[in-house]
Amino acid sequence: QQQVKQSPQSLIVQKGGISIINCAYENTAFDYFPWYQQFPGKGPALLIAIRPDVSEKKEGRFTISFNKSAKQFSLHIMDSQPGDSATYFCAAGGSYIPTFGRGTSLIVHP
Amino acid sequence: DAGVTQSPTHLIKTRGQHVTLRCSPISGHKSVSWYQQVLGQGPQFIFQYYEKEERGRGNFPDRFSARQFPNYSSELNVNALLLGDSALYLCASSLVRGKDTQYFGPGTRLTVL
Repeated sequence: QQQVKQSPQSLIVQKGGISIINCAYENTAFDYFPWYQQFPGKGPALLIAIRPDVSEKKEGRFTISFNKSAKQFSLHIMDSQPGDSATYFCAAGGSYIPTFGRGTSLIVHP
Repeated sequence: DAGVTQSPTHLIKTRGQHVTLRCSPISGHKSVSWYQQVLGQGPQFIFQYYEKEERGRGNFPDRFSARQFPNYSSELNVNALLLGDSALYLCASSLVRGKDTQYFGPGTRLTVL
């Protein structure tokens, strides 16, 4: 049972473009929605997180948009850079244990 | 401050063997969670320990076990290894349980031949 669905599986953008990754969840008890960035050979690192009492959170070039009624949330990376090339995971937390999406491999071409 | 550390970095075992993976949380963190990450997929939750007690268990067989020590470090044990156990095993620590930020270690890459 996949409780968090992430799309697209892979994404290629040009330097300076906007990268958008989407996630949908099923369990309405989820109330913590983090995004993780993972480089090859490394563990995931927390990028940005949101709770359902707000619809948007921005940190630098990274923005989370949250739609509680649709049970969807997305990550926007503005002015994408080659150094942003990595795998991105969304997660949804409830009962203290987050459920991860399958990941999106992002490649930013110079 | 040191982050989450895991050992060993890589491990090669054969089917039927047993393996022990180790994790040291960030200083001051009392909660440790273990995840399995198969290539091309997101981390799957295995266990969570807080104050040396198991607080959560994922959908993994009884071949998987873990424990947390008084210094909050943790071990993950896997018995009777199967080919399908080949994965990156991640440890994450957090200050307390709950909706607290989890910090991941670099993982242990386990290959079962």
